[in-house]
Amino acid sequence: DIVMTQGALPNPVPSGESASITCQSSKSLLHSNGKTYLNWYLQRPGQSPQFLIYWMSTRASGVSDRFSGSGSGTDFTLKISRVEAEDVGVYYCQQDLEFPRTFGAGTKLELK
Amino acid sequence: QVQLKESGPGLVQPSQTLSLTCTVSGFSLTSYNVHWVRQPPGKGLEWMGVIWSGGNTDYNSALKPRLSISRDTSKSQVFLTMNSLQTEDTGIYYCKGSVYWGQGVMVTVSS
Repeated sequence: DIVMTQGALPNPVPSGESASITCQSSKSLLHSNGKTYLNWYLQRPGQSPQFLIYWMSTRASGVSDRFSGSGSGTDFTLKISRVEAEDVGVYYCQQDLEFPRTFGAGTKLELK
Repeated sequence: QVQLKESGPGLVQPSQTLSLTCTVSGFSLTSYNVHWVRQPPGKGLEWMGVIWSGGNTDYNSALKPRLSISRDTSKSQVFLTMNSLQTEDTGIYYCKGSVYWGQGVMVTVSS
């Protein structure tokens, strides 16, 4: 199985500052079609996860442009610009390349 | 408006079978894949399996011996069945289609 390893945030993050969350996969998620199959989700407290980004850097419909995804085949970053109260929660990366689909353990963002 | 809603028993006895239903609206099951994902209390997400728009299925190999996913396209429903439940199967079970997630249903395995 592909192992997804997420980094921690130096919580709490001051409101208005930027935050970057890292994710590393044990295998390249770059497909031969040129797409990188890495998703990002946000799970706010008490809610179901919300889709943020797919194909490593494409924002889902309705997602704020304060969220941006980048990376290579195995190392990925989710950057949140101008952190707001609604950004609080746990962020998960997930590989969408192979079965079983696997998630990172999650990275908690707290606001100062 | 796309919606997914999970339903099923909140309490299941150990060794018994879990049956959950995901009812979708706003899209056709023949056009979108539906995944099941679960989350133990206070822990992370585990992908369980998927039923593709064409009707084929794929499962997490760790759960495959106990897990089955099926659907009724006429009712816009996807079903999850998992047998031999143990306490470690306790958690919230979600269905998701495209970029949308259901609200989840809490399942407790206890006698």
